[in-house]
Amino acid sequence: AQSVTQLDSHVSVSEGTPVLLRCNYSSSYSPSLFWYVQHPNKGLQLLLKYTSAATLVKGINGFEAEFKKSETSFHLTKPSAHMSDAAEYFCVVTRSSGSARQLTFGSGTQLTVLP
Amino acid sequence: DTGVSQNPRHKITKRGQNVTFRCDPISEHNRLYWYRQTLGQGPEFLTYFQNEAQLEKSRLLSDRFSAERPKGSFSTLEIQRTEQGDSAMYLCASSLGQTSSYEQYFGPGTRLTVT
Repeated sequence: AQSVTQLDSHVSVSEGTPVLLRCNYSSSYSPSLFWYVQHPNKGLQLLLKYTSAATLVKGINGFEAEFKKSETSFHLTKPSAHMSDAAEYFCVVTRSSGSARQLTFGSGTQLTVLP
Repeated sequence: DTGVSQNPRHKITKRGQNVTFRCDPISEHNRLYWYRQTLGQGPEFLTYFQNEAQLEKSRLLSDRFSAERPKGSFSTLEIQRTEQGDSAMYLCASSLGQTSSYEQYFGPGTRLTVT
């Protein structure tokens, strides 16, 4: 069994300030973890992925996430928010081996960026 | 690479009617997935194909739902005798099954409204 918990349903930051979106996971298996972003009326876009290589993962648009096994966390960060970052963000877990390929999504964090 | 496409983008139907959605994956991708996303929630896995074989089905996929991928390329998702609870965004994703990254590429979705 696997699940993710996104600890904040809404996060609001000012443009130019750091972004932190929190995610905790639970998995009976060695997990692969992802962050996806969903802009209104657009498809889900992969920001970054962790698949048991380096624990600090760099993604697109300046986003990073760190896999911390001891804390079962995979928080998403960005040093400086941009207006275009306003969107819904999903933390996602899947098994990193075996036949199952379904993604398990968190309930999402809506990021608002204030001017 | 034109990405994953889905048609129609929006569908309004009356309760009890049948609807069919189409997904065209990225051309070289052999795996195809269907997810359902309701308002304020993350996407939930429905079913998964490898080539033309349907390998996994979620408990969410009731008997009224059927999915096909007859030639291992495009896929259709049919809902019979629609109910108001079927109103949701239906998302399709595809991936290249030979890689170990399990990265899925999503289409823009079909928004279904059952009146």
